[in-house]
Amino acid sequence: SAVISQKPSRDICQRGTSLTIQCQVDSQVTMMFWYRQQPGQSLTLIATANQGSEATYESGFVIDKFPISRPNLTFSTLTVSNMSPEDSSIYLCSVFQPVSGAGSYNEQFFGPGTRLTVL
Amino acid sequence: AQSVTQPDIHITVSEGASLELRCNYSYGATPYLFWYVQSPGQGLQLLLKYFSGDTLVQGIKGFEAEFKRSQSSFNLRKPSVHWSDAAEYFCAVGHNAGNMLTFGGGTRLMVKP
Repeated sequence: SAVISQKPSRDICQRGTSLTIQCQVDSQVTMMFWYRQQPGQSLTLIATANQGSEATYESGFVIDKFPISRPNLTFSTLTVSNMSPEDSSIYLCSVFQPVSGAGSYNEQFFGPGTRLTVL
Repeated sequence: AQSVTQPDIHITVSEGASLELRCNYSYGATPYLFWYVQSPGQGLQLLLKYFSGDTLVQGIKGFEAEFKRSQSSFNLRKPSVHWSDAAEYFCAVGHNAGNMLTFGGGTRLMVKP
């Protein structure tokens, strides 16, 4: 199984500032995924981060607001730019890992999340 | 497009009582179905999954779920709830193992002493 760590675990930020969230995986993965979980809501995919190419963003999310870096196969960052209170959410990093003995099945693993509060 | 509905936003049960969390999905073919649990301040943990075969699947922490194709449902059950089961539970559907999942809105479980 994949072990995923995120930094910071939580932060309180002022409106208009930016925060960069780090995601570290204990094994090499081709794609890393960033999700947002707004208060009381389910998970929404923000973007897919591929190593060596630009991230692919889902509808409603843009690179200027959520720039992503993917410098190597075990690490990615998500920046929340020019924050407003509406950006208060939990941000989760996720990867797929093949499960041994299960054929082509890849299980999705999630990091512990970064809880962001914007004042 | 696939979708997942969890009709119950909140559920409260007494410790020791049985539990059933509902999940309905919409998908044109045989789905891959998952239940995840998110404890306060934690990430998501996979409880169990269904791909094919026996429609009653066993998971971790004493949970089980039953796939009912005729009802497009994949309800999660536990015969006796423990206080530590208080958490948010998410049902998810995928159309191929390892492809992106579509999550339901979640059900928040509270356990009374």
